[in-house]
Amino acid sequence: DIQMTQSPSSLSASVGDRVTITCRASQGISNSLAWYQQKPGKAPKLLLYAASRLESGVPSRFSGSGSGTDYTLTISSLQPEDFATYYCQQYYSPVTFGQGTKLEIK
Amino acid sequence: EVQLVESGGGLVQPGRSLRLSCTASGFTFGDYAMSWVRQAPGKGLEWVGFIRSKAYGGTTEYAASVKGRFTISRDDSKSIAYLQMNSLKTEDTAVYYCTRVGPPSVQWLGYFDYWGQGTLVTVSS
Repeated sequence: DIQMTQSPSSLSASVGDRVTITCRASQGISNSLAWYQQKPGKAPKLLLYAASRLESGVPSRFSGSGSGTDYTLTISSLQPEDFATYYCQQYYSPVTFGQGTKLEIK
Repeated sequence: EVQLVESGGGLVQPGRSLRLSCTASGFTFGDYAMSWVRQAPGKGLEWVGFIRSKAYGGTTEYAASVKGRFTISRDDSKSIAYLQMNSLKTEDTAVYYCTRVGPPSVQWLGYFDYWGQGTLVTVSS
């Protein structure tokens, strides 16, 4: 199976900061990558798919980029509601998730 | 509004069986592949399996950790997906989420655009 290595595993930041989370696949995944946000006790929520396509209703401060094996999620200006855990997911073959990045308030 | 509602979770002894249901509404259920994803307490997300839409044969794919023990099925007339879990192990303890696979044209490999609220399965003696 394709391994997804997400970094960092945790991150402290302040409201207004620009934050980047990285996901590296053990082999090329042809942009078959999604990002999710999960808050405590809640189901994950889809943010982006196909590496850079914003899901309907998701604020434009979220963006994604990358190709091949390396992908990033960027939050341009952190808002209080963005503090959560973020997961990447490859759906190239078959499906694996990154281990998660917990974004905490500094 | 798309909704997915899981039911059937609970406490079960190791080696026993349990069936989860996922009742869907707000979309044409039969047009979509469906999937189950689980999350052990305090841990990350783990894909469990997919079921294709009838247009692609309604066949299934499973993670290695559950293959041969878990079975996914669907009843398009009732808009329900099922997860039959047999020979349960303590390591199957998790919240189980039902998810819709996007987009509708995809056979099975896709992202998960809608999630249910999850149902907790605890395997313990």
